[in-house]
Amino acid sequence: DAKTTQPNSMESNEEEPVHLPCNHSTISGTDYIHWYRQLPSQGPEYVIHGLTSNVNNRMASLAIAEDRKSSTLILHRATLRDAAVYYCILRDRFYNNAGNMLTFGGGTRLMVKP
Amino acid sequence: DTGVSQDPRHKITKRGQNVTFRCDPISEHNRLYWYRQTLGQGPEFLTYFQNEAQLEKSRLLSDRFSAERPKGSFSTLEIQRTEQGDSAMYLCASRGPGAGGENEQFFGPGTRLTVL
Repeated sequence: DAKTTQPNSMESNEEEPVHLPCNHSTISGTDYIHWYRQLPSQGPEYVIHGLTSNVNNRMASLAIAEDRKSSTLILHRATLRDAAVYYCILRDRFYNNAGNMLTFGGGTRLMVKP
Repeated sequence: DTGVSQDPRHKITKRGQNVTFRCDPISEHNRLYWYRQTLGQGPEFLTYFQNEAQLEKSRLLSDRFSAERPKGSFSTLEIQRTEQGDSAMYLCASRGPGAGGENEQFFGPGTRLTVL
């Protein structure tokens, strides 16, 4: 699987937008870009995913660079409940290795200040 | 609650003892995964079931570890002769059928194992 690179940690103020970057320069044409987050003492939870176009859902937006070598998860108004570790993960669209298990990196720890 | 459940949530055991964890996936999900997470690290894949068949095992899964999913419903993960290095959070996840590249996985709250 192609690798992703994320900053170890980021800080944000409450109610301000947060942009979490992810580099994936070796992404293949069939890789989806997924984001999961893990709140303290909980299992990871799905946030959003995309292939080529920018995506929006109730939790966040995903902006994907035109060359797909990087992406940015956008939280429009950070709340204290958004403090978590955010993982950027690539998943092949078709290849069924181990049922497409998730390969987590270290993620970005987001701290939200009141 | 129709999410993934895991039992127990916490387990403290002495080195050398056997422990067993249970995972109940979302009922219509035929794919089930076990991951292990140590402090400060992201989760690492351990094993994968499609229905009752165990189709993939990570090299992390030593001979002391065994997982089952009888009847393709709940799953158990057993660790025999526990070692202090087994201390970790054990996470279970499930997903529905279809190409895996797009479908999300749903995680349980995990079982935190402490081996003294």
